[in-house]
Amino acid sequence: TQLLEQSPQFLSIQEGENLTVYCNSSSVFSSLQWYRQEPGEGPVLLVTVVTGGEVKKLKRLTFQFGDARKDSSLHITAAQPGDTGLYLCAGLIQGAQKLVFGQGTRLTINP
Amino acid sequence: DSGVTQTPKHLITATGQRVTLRCSPRSGDLSVYWYQQSLDQGLQFLIQYYNGEERAKGNILERFSAQQFPDLHSELNLSSLELGDSALYFCASSRGRERYNEQFFGPGTRLTVL
Repeated sequence: TQLLEQSPQFLSIQEGENLTVYCNSSSVFSSLQWYRQEPGEGPVLLVTVVTGGEVKKLKRLTFQFGDARKDSSLHITAAQPGDTGLYLCAGLIQGAQKLVFGQGTRLTINP
Repeated sequence: DSGVTQTPKHLITATGQRVTLRCSPRSGDLSVYWYQQSLDQGLQFLIQYYNGEERAKGNILERFSAQQFPDLHSELNLSSLELGDSALYFCASSRGRERYNEQFFGPGTRLTVL
C-alpha cells in the first residue's frame, strides 16, 4: 500500500499547455516536499510546503498544500520541454523524521 | 550540484558477489539516507544514519548493511547479490536536526547484476 498516491502516473502534453499533478494521502504530514528527477540523476528539491493551505510559486510552477495537510498539488503553466522529468512528492510523517515518497509522475512536454 | 557525492557512478557485477557503494554528504550535514530506485518500485527508503548512528530503517534486506564513519561519509554494502538488486542507489543528506528534513540527493550509483 502506497502512503502517498500521485496522479497521473504518466502525462504527455504539448508545449504551452497547463497541467496539474496531484499527491494524495489519508495521513497528515508535517510538511511536504516536491522533487524533480531527470533521467540518470538524483532528485532535486523544488519546494517545501509546511502550512495547511499554503501556496508557493516558483516561476511557472505553483505548489499548494491542502488545508488538512494530507494532499498537495503542483500546477505548471505554459509547460516547456525543459519541464520534462519525474516529479516526486514526499511527505514528512507527523511526529517522525521519516520522509515518505510517492511513486512519481513522469511528465513529458513535447515541442 | 547538490554537494552530495557518490561513487562509483556505474557498477556491473555478477550474482552472488558483494559490492560497496560510497557516499559523501554535503558539508555540515549529519544525516545520510540510502534509497533504492527501480523501475517498478519507485524510490524506496533503505536506511538512515545520523552522526554515525543508525536512526531509521526502511525496506532494507538482511543482505544489505550500511555504516556512517566518523568523517560522516557512508557506505552501503550489498552482498549475495541477486538479479533483482539491479537498480539505482541514491544517497541523500540533510542537516539532521532541522524541522523539515529537506534532503539533498547525490547523482546515484547504477548497479547492474548479471
